[in-house]
Amino acid sequence: DQQVKQNSPSLSVQEGRISILNCDYTNSMFDYFLWYKKYPAEGPTFLISISSIKDKNEDGRFTVFLNKSAKHLSLHIVPSQPGDSAVYFCAARREYGNKLVFGAGTILRVKS
Amino acid sequence: EPEVTQTPSHQVTQMGQEVILRCVPISNHLYFYWYRQILGQKVEFLVSFYNNEISEKSEIFDDQFSVERPDGSNFTLKIRSTKLEDSAMYFCASRKGLAGARGANVLTFGAGSRLTVL
Repeated sequence: DQQVKQNSPSLSVQEGRISILNCDYTNSMFDYFLWYKKYPAEGPTFLISISSIKDKNEDGRFTVFLNKSAKHLSLHIVPSQPGDSAVYFCAARREYGNKLVFGAGTILRVKS
Repeated sequence: EPEVTQTPSHQVTQMGQEVILRCVPISNHLYFYWYRQILGQKVEFLVSFYNNEISEKSEIFDDQFSVERPDGSNFTLKIRSTKLEDSAMYFCASRKGLAGARGANVLTFGAGSRLTVL
């Protein structure tokens, strides 16, 4: 059941450049989307979210874009820092739903 | 900052044994969850709990699994008879859930309990 897909297992970016992580979803009932960051041996940590009524949400270096017609969202990190190196999970929730459905994750490596 | 705490951080058990994983969710949160991540795979939903009962569960959450909130603060996951394929990282999470409250939809996760079944 791959309702949330992160097709890039890994991404390598130079420090200071932009990191773009992508996520696609298939369930049109999803109305709330989140990005989580996960370091080894730790739980996922909330990063940023976006409601389906918006197409962009920004928080410091992190911006999430939502394209509902394409069922696609992306996370932009500018500028990327070595401390951003982690696994990034996209997650989605249905309207009036309870659980989050996660993608498989993308490993981001920021090189200094 | 409030956090979700989980114990133990790592448990090794023999196949067929019972295991209880413990969680203390954030105190003013209303919804509680267990997720698991098998090594190299995605984070999978197991069960959600609200108002002292299961609100949703996945097909993974079969009769071998149960959850309990025995004392208003702890939230436990019990696996009655562990199998090799239960080896995974188990994450507890909680969220406020109050409509309109800031962050109401955000799940806060614990650091996880690694279960190894031999």
